[in-house]
Amino acid sequence: GESVGLHLPTLSVQEGDNSIINCAYSNSASDYFIWYKQESGKGPQFIIDIRSNMDKRQGQRVTVLLNKTVKHLSLQIAATQPGDSAVYFCAEKQGSGGYNKLIFGAGTRLAVHP
Amino acid sequence: EPEVTQTPSHQVTQMGQEVILRCVPISNHLYFYWYRQILGQKVEFLVSFYNNEISEKSEIFDDQFSVERPDGSNFTLKIRSTKLEDSAMYFCASERTDTQYFGPGTRLTVL
Repeated sequence: GESVGLHLPTLSVQEGDNSIINCAYSNSASDYFIWYKQESGKGPQFIIDIRSNMDKRQGQRVTVLLNKTVKHLSLQIAATQPGDSAVYFCAEKQGSGGYNKLIFGAGTRLAVHP
Repeated sequence: EPEVTQTPSHQVTQMGQEVILRCVPISNHLYFYWYRQILGQKVEFLVSFYNNEISEKSEIFDDQFSVERPDGSNFTLKIRSTKLEDSAMYFCASERTDTQYFGPGTRLTVL
């Protein structure tokens, strides 16, 4: 069936290192993906998105890579900081008619150690 | 920067009681959503709302749930008779084009 999922539930990194969070999707028709960050007790915060006609998109300290061949996307965070500690979700946008519900993956917890 | 706001931040209710969760979406947005997140689980879609009517709803969104946009600013989720399993974080989101912005959530605890 259709699904969006994450490879690892927890990722621990040292401050200053680069972090890579992975996500797999199974619906080859998916054409829009979003990464959200969720800090404890808060709502999901938009980080970056990518469409299926792209394979890479960069933001401030973040890069999303999309590999349509293996239906995989990743979020790279450069020079990880303690403030990056959170749960990261990938989400797939599905739907039609000018609106699109989000299908979220299970989430990866990123723990940044000093 | 405009934000989605939600009230209350925490709602405690007795099983069988009605609750109304309130949201103020970003002012020029057109599409509105409710999601929920049971503790430790992923975020789940409940319902989308556009042009004053429901666009899509999930299996979770049964007859006990309803949504309303009573005026030009508020967007509400009502649960008529709460059950223990309704305990969760409820997030409102709004969208103008493509990107959905989430509120801080309401934690609903059903006793």
